Amino acid sequence: KAGVTQTPRYLIKTRGQQVTLSCSPISGHRSVSWYQQTPGQGLQFLFEYFSETQRNKGNFPGRFSGRQFSNSRSEMNVSTLELGDSALYLCASSYGQENQPQHFGDGTRLSIL
Amino acid sequence: TQLLEQSPQFLSIQEGENLTVYCNSSSVFSSLQWYRQEPGEGPVLLVTVVTGGEVKKLKRLTFQFGDARKDSSLHITAAQPGDTGLYLCAADSGGGADGLTFGKGTHLIIQP
Repeated sequence: KAGVTQTPRYLIKTRGQQVTLSCSPISGHRSVSWYQQTPGQGLQFLFEYFSETQRNKGNFPGRFSGRQFSNSRSEMNVSTLELGDSALYLCASSYGQENQPQHFGDGTRLSIL
Repeated sequence: TQLLEQSPQFLSIQEGENLTVYCNSSSVFSSLQWYRQEPGEGPVLLVTVVTGGEVKKLKRLTFQFGDARKDSSLHITAAQPGDTGLYLCAADSGGGADGLTFGKGTHLIIQP
């Protein structure tokens, strides 16, 4: 069974630009969650999508947005990039029910110059 | 939003020693998951504990969920260099819709 696939693996952008990251979940999983990982803050929850609807959202500014397609693939967009957005962005997929384990991809390393 | 306190933050020990990592909160968890993450990779799920007082074993790793479901521990017996990594606990508040709340992790180094 293929795991969670995130593309691209690495990305370099400059301040003010925007970026789109992609996540393909495990086949059959309908929930995709996005997390930001930094050395100082650790892993922080961005948002979760289930059946093409955003089901919950963490405490991030509106510059961070996402969407999910009918095949459960998800994209995350960050607009007007700031230096502080440099981080590892991880997505995780699951069946979306309570206490279901989440399976993570290897992340996209975003660096802002 | 519940906070998870993990301790210790860093731990460096010799091969063959035992160690315990703790994960604590003032809130009750629906479930708690332990992950291990290596550089350049995403977290890999080790175990999920759901029932208060539950103990699960995975080879040399023993996971315990507190009776009140507010804390958990990970004990490694006879640590090996291959155990080196970042160990993360993550809590699910229930309902399937709040995302996981992660502790900041324990950086474990096992020296040969």
